[in-house]
Amino acid sequence: KAGVTQTPRYLIKTRGQQVTLSCSPISGHRSVSWYQQTPGQGLQFLFEYFSETQRNKGNFPGRFSGRQFSNSRSEMNVSTLELGDSALYLCASRPTSGIETQYFGPGTRLLVL
Amino acid sequence: DQQVKQNSPSLSVQEGRISILNCDYTNSMFDYFLWYKKYPAEGPTFLISISSIKDKNEDGRFTVFLNKSAKHLSLHIVPSQPGDSAVYFCAVLWGGADGLTFGKGTHLIIQP
Repeated sequence: KAGVTQTPRYLIKTRGQQVTLSCSPISGHRSVSWYQQTPGQGLQFLFEYFSETQRNKGNFPGRFSGRQFSNSRSEMNVSTLELGDSALYLCASRPTSGIETQYFGPGTRLLVL
Repeated sequence: DQQVKQNSPSLSVQEGRISILNCDYTNSMFDYFLWYKKYPAEGPTFLISISSIKDKNEDGRFTVFLNKSAKHLSLHIVPSQPGDSAVYFCAVLWGGADGLTFGKGTHLIIQP
């Protein structure tokens, strides 16, 4: 099976812009979660989507949003970018939403200037 | 307040010896514990997991131990190999709640 894929792999934006990141889960996986990794805060949970519905949300401002499509592909959007949003954004998928192992994609490296 | 702590930012071990990575957690409600390995510029790779009803799980060279009374998790790698050099994250999960909560990671360096 192909793994989790994320596009783009690298992105440079300026403050105030908005950005959309894309994630394609492993075939058959219906749950997609997003995480942010920064040197200071480590890996932090953003949100999880399952069957096109947001099930869980981490402690991030409303500028961070997402959605999931009927084919389980997911997008994450960050509006009004701030310098502190520079991070590695990781997507993970699992077959169902629950206590199951999550499999991560390679991430999108976002740099905000 | 960190719910999952990996107190050693880095660990250096000689090739062929045992590597022991440690993780402490605060919430006794966590019911699933996982270890992930991460190379630079890649996403974390799942390594091994254990549910709260067990105290040990083995998979080849990797063994995870869970001490619920001490709220302590450890990963043993025997024997350590050069390809094991990476950052190791412990993570916890509780059913129906938020996503994985990760520790800050331990950078394992295997020396020849």
